[in-house]
Amino acid sequence: NAGVTQTPKFQVLKTGQSMTLQCAQDMNHEYMSWYRQDPGMGLRLIHYSVGAGITDQGEVPNGYNVSRSTTEDFPLRLLSAAPSQTSVYFCASSYRSSANTGELFFGEGSRLTVL
Amino acid sequence: KNQVEQSPQSLIILEGKNCTLQCNYTVSPFSNLRWYKQDTGRGPVSLTIMTFSENTKSNGRYTATLDADTKQSSLHITASQLSDSASYICVVRYGNNRLAFGKGNQVVVIP
Repeated sequence: NAGVTQTPKFQVLKTGQSMTLQCAQDMNHEYMSWYRQDPGMGLRLIHYSVGAGITDQGEVPNGYNVSRSTTEDFPLRLLSAAPSQTSVYFCASSYRSSANTGELFFGEGSRLTVL
Repeated sequence: KNQVEQSPQSLIILEGKNCTLQCNYTVSPFSNLRWYKQDTGRGPVSLTIMTFSENTKSNGRYTATLDADTKQSSLHITASQLSDSASYICVVRYGNNRLAFGKGNQVVVIP
């Protein structure tokens, strides 16, 4: 059981470049989300999805784009990378039902550096 | 103002000693509170969940407490081991399935 798989683990970009961080889960979770983690800031929600075809913005969505064409995959796109987007990115998934305790299952993280 | 405040921000403890981490929150209505452990370079993993009716819950050497009246939770680590070196993140679920994250307690266990 792979859980939540993120790729790549490390990436270096130049300012203005675009790229996609991949996230896949094999637990049939309805809810998927992307967070960024910066020193002293904690985890901040970028975008989330409650099911295929449904996405919404989180706390810090600017500069990022997402789509959810399948239950399993939730890619995060950086449209034009900026140094302020240097961070560690985590994908997380969970069951959507409010009756569930809502444990988040995180990927291993993708460390992005923008020069 | 942060909705979830954790203290201390960081601490260093000797192997074998105990320590207690604090989490105070202001969000409502409360659903549950989770403590996650994040090892360096890894994603957070859930340690324990506390619901409104629970005061204390143990998971091995980890014991979590919750006082829903004062909106405080603690995580106690007993007989610390080197593998306990990590960041411990308090996450409160509230309202319509919303989450509030603390910034974490960074724990370093030294031999």
